[in-house]
Amino acid sequence: SQQGEEDPQALSIQEGENATMNCSYKTSINNLQWYRQNSGRGLVHLILIRSNEREKHSGRLRVTLDTSKKSSSLLITASRAADTASYFCALRNYGGSQGNLIFGKGTKLSVKP
Amino acid sequence: NAGVTQTPKFQVLKTGQSMTLQCAQDMNHEYMSWYRQDPGMGLRLIHYSVGAGITDQGEVPNGYNVSRSTTEDFPLRLLSAAPSQTSVYFCASSSPSTGNEKLFFGSGTQLSVL
Repeated sequence: SQQGEEDPQALSIQEGENATMNCSYKTSINNLQWYRQNSGRGLVHLILIRSNEREKHSGRLRVTLDTSKKSSSLLITASRAADTASYFCALRNYGGSQGNLIFGKGTKLSVKP
Repeated sequence: NAGVTQTPKFQVLKTGQSMTLQCAQDMNHEYMSWYRQDPGMGLRLIHYSVGAGITDQGEVPNGYNVSRSTTEDFPLRLLSAAPSQTSVYFCASSSPSTGNEKLFFGSGTQLSVL
């Protein structure tokens, strides 16, 4: 089964700057989700975007989905030191079992104060 | 609600030993799953369950067994631990039948097999 590929693998920015992470995939999806993982902790759901949606917002987060390019991006605006974490995209493949998500390898974001 | 609870948080085993990683959720979620996380590999699905009495294999099921006798509990058994099973294990649950497919994760079990 396919796996999302995040890009970049690591990103270092200053507080206040915007952070953009990308996720590419190969076959049709039902939905795509983004999760955050703080060091040594479990993953926390951030946002879900369905295949018929193009953009979603949640607070300082903006997610876009381009099904023609098979890619998604996560934008964190006005970043804070507390945003330092690893970010993962997760795919539910089209026709896949509800609940089964395939995770990418993640982008490690470091926000310097 | 406690959410998803995993025990133990840390465990050291010797090769060949067996153990059970416990996972319980109090959200009445029908879907539960186990992932392992290795450095540079992301999370890989081991086994999952869509309801009590129903389990299925994920991407990396070899060396692991699961059962789902109740909605709340989904234990993961290592029958004969191997060094390759050194990893961080996460249990997760969701309720797709209610239209909510986001996964709720436990805090993880760090397992070392010597």
